Amino acid sequence: AQSVSQHNHHVILSEAASLELGCNYSYGGTVNLFWYVQYPGQHLQLLLKYFSGDPLVKGIKGFEAEFIKSKFSFNLRKPSVQWSDTAEYFCAVIYGGSQGNLIFGKGTKLSVKP
Amino acid sequence: EPEVTQTPSHQVTQMGQEVILRCVPISNHLYFYWYRQILGQKVEFLVSFYNNEISEKSEIFDDQFSVERPDGSNFTLKIRSTKLEDSAMYFCASSGVSRTVSYEQYFGPGTRLTVT
Repeated sequence: AQSVSQHNHHVILSEAASLELGCNYSYGGTVNLFWYVQYPGQHLQLLLKYFSGDPLVKGIKGFEAEFIKSKFSFNLRKPSVQWSDTAEYFCAVIYGGSQGNLIFGKGTKLSVKP
Repeated sequence: EPEVTQTPSHQVTQMGQEVILRCVPISNHLYFYWYRQILGQKVEFLVSFYNNEISEKSEIFDDQFSVERPDGSNFTLKIRSTKLEDSAMYFCASSGVSRTVSYEQYFGPGTRLTVT
């Protein structure tokens, strides 16, 4: 079955620490990949997306993600986190042949200590 | 900046009752979606809607569920006879004018449905 795995349920970091959140998907065909963020009390917002081309994609607020096809992974990174990055982060995939059905991972809660 | 809105923010209903959750997608969008998130679980796709018909639905979206775009602005999800397990946060999303250009979906704030 098509699925998305996020390895970390809750990550706690101090400000200025580097961040990497893991995301793996289960399917070997065409995929479109996304990271969404949900700040406390706010909507799900798109951080970044990958459709094709350069596997290293840059998003908003200094986030980036790398698509590694051989590992079915799309990990999210940020070199130096801030307290304002405290949020829940969701990896999501649209598999080829779908009509835009986003399949989400369970989410990773990031807490950044000031 | 245009945004997706949803009403109500919280709905409490008794088991067996019908509920209608409302969404106003971004005005020039053509593709509409419903997702739900049961507490502590993943966000799950329910249904997508395009050109006044369902284009894809999940196995969760059974005969108890229906969607409608009754006018040019609203997009509704109806649950005919609610069950306790329908308690969840329901998110509406919409995406833009060309599916081949972008699948970027814009999400509403959600409606928390509590079935008692």
